[in-house]
Amino acid sequence: QKEVEQNSGPLSVPEGAIASLNCTYSDRGSQSFFWYRQYSGKSPELIMSIYSNGDKEDGRFTAQLNKASQYVSLLIRDSQPSDSATYLCAVLYNNNDMRFGAGTRLTVKP
Amino acid sequence: SAVISQKPSRDICQRGTSLTIQCQVDSQVTMMFWYRQQPGQSLTLIATANQGSEATYESGFVIDKFPISRPNLTFSTLTVSNMSPEDSSIYLCSVEDRRLRETQYFGPGTRLLVL
Repeated sequence: QKEVEQNSGPLSVPEGAIASLNCTYSDRGSQSFFWYRQYSGKSPELIMSIYSNGDKEDGRFTAQLNKASQYVSLLIRDSQPSDSATYLCAVLYNNNDMRFGAGTRLTVKP
Repeated sequence: SAVISQKPSRDICQRGTSLTIQCQVDSQVTMMFWYRQQPGQSLTLIATANQGSEATYESGFVIDKFPISRPNLTFSTLTVSNMSPEDSSIYLCSVEDRRLRETQYFGPGTRLLVL
């Protein structure tokens, strides 16, 4: 069973704080991991991809991957109200089979 | 990344009718995917569409209900056949960018309401 688990939230943080979003996956053979942001009524947009253990930073976003623990996370520093959205974790299995988590709804309060 | 458009952006349809959704990409891509996102839910893959071959359907989705065409490397259609209210959903196409290790980019989606 290829599963991707996320805490559905909602997660609420004050403006300027760090938002931490977590995701676990079931297949140890997975090699590619993605975070998508989805605003209400819009389609998902790619924020980050990560393929190796450790941290990957892009602006205010940091993706963290731990393959031994089958865990991937997204940190958003200096959270802004415009970051309020649903964040989808996606894991690529074999043969272009991408599975999505249920998403975590984030609210950043001014 | 590729620019993806979908038509129609939204529609309201009657039970028992069919709707064909178009997905157009501004560059040639090998893999195109069709997803469904029901209200408040995550994305569920319906099928993978390769140019020149039959679409590959996921468990729970069948060709008679969701026929797919992929006539060339920039275009695909998904038809939702004999619709019922349970088919009310957002339908999304996506394309794979192999230069970026199979990263997928999504079109804007088609919002379907079946009465």
